[in-house]
Amino acid sequence: ELKVEQNPLFLSMQEGKNYTIYCNYSTTSDRLYWYRQDPGKSLESLFVLLSNGAVKQEGRLMASLDTKARLSTLHITAAVHDLSATYFCAAEGFDSNYQLIWGAGTKLIIKP
Amino acid sequence: EPEVTQTPSHQVTQMGQEVILRCVPISNHLYFYWYRQILGQKVEFLVSFYNNEISEKSEIFDDQFSVERPDGSNFTLKIRSTKLEDSAMYFCASTGTTTSSYTFGSGTRLTVV
Repeated sequence: ELKVEQNPLFLSMQEGKNYTIYCNYSTTSDRLYWYRQDPGKSLESLFVLLSNGAVKQEGRLMASLDTKARLSTLHITAAVHDLSATYFCAAEGFDSNYQLIWGAGTKLIIKP
Repeated sequence: EPEVTQTPSHQVTQMGQEVILRCVPISNHLYFYWYRQILGQKVEFLVSFYNNEISEKSEIFDDQFSVERPDGSNFTLKIRSTKLEDSAMYFCASTGTTTSSYTFGSGTRLTVV
């Protein structure tokens, strides 16, 4: 059974700092997704990671995937207040019958 | 940019009533999904739909739930007899292929009183 764990669940940081959110999954996964959610809003797709060693970057966010370690990271560089949101990772694969299995989310607060 | 549209944005219903949540997926997408998120909790898979039939469903998707694609554009989720614990945000999503990202709608907040 595919399980996904994120940490930390809550992160408060100052603008300008760097930090990383970690996403571990328990069994083989074909795809790893990162989503952003603002309070009361929908789930905005950030990245889809398909293969080992995949790295994708958009602005101050960079996501990577290590399938051997079953680990994906979302790195925030020089954080700005607008990045405050909850970030979810989700995985899918044969062991989940290709259902998206979600992490609990990381609530990120960036203080000016 | 194409969007997945959901209506209503918020619905309040009495326990035991039937509700229908509506979704218009992106027009050339082939795979459709319903997910739910109880306030402050994880997003949970409910059901996937392809080629006019359910392809996968979770344990949550019991006999009280059903999905339909009645007219080739709308995709609906029906809850026959709502319970208090059905209160959640319900998200519809669609994908064009099995390797593309999911596009989520803005959600319907269902409150059962």
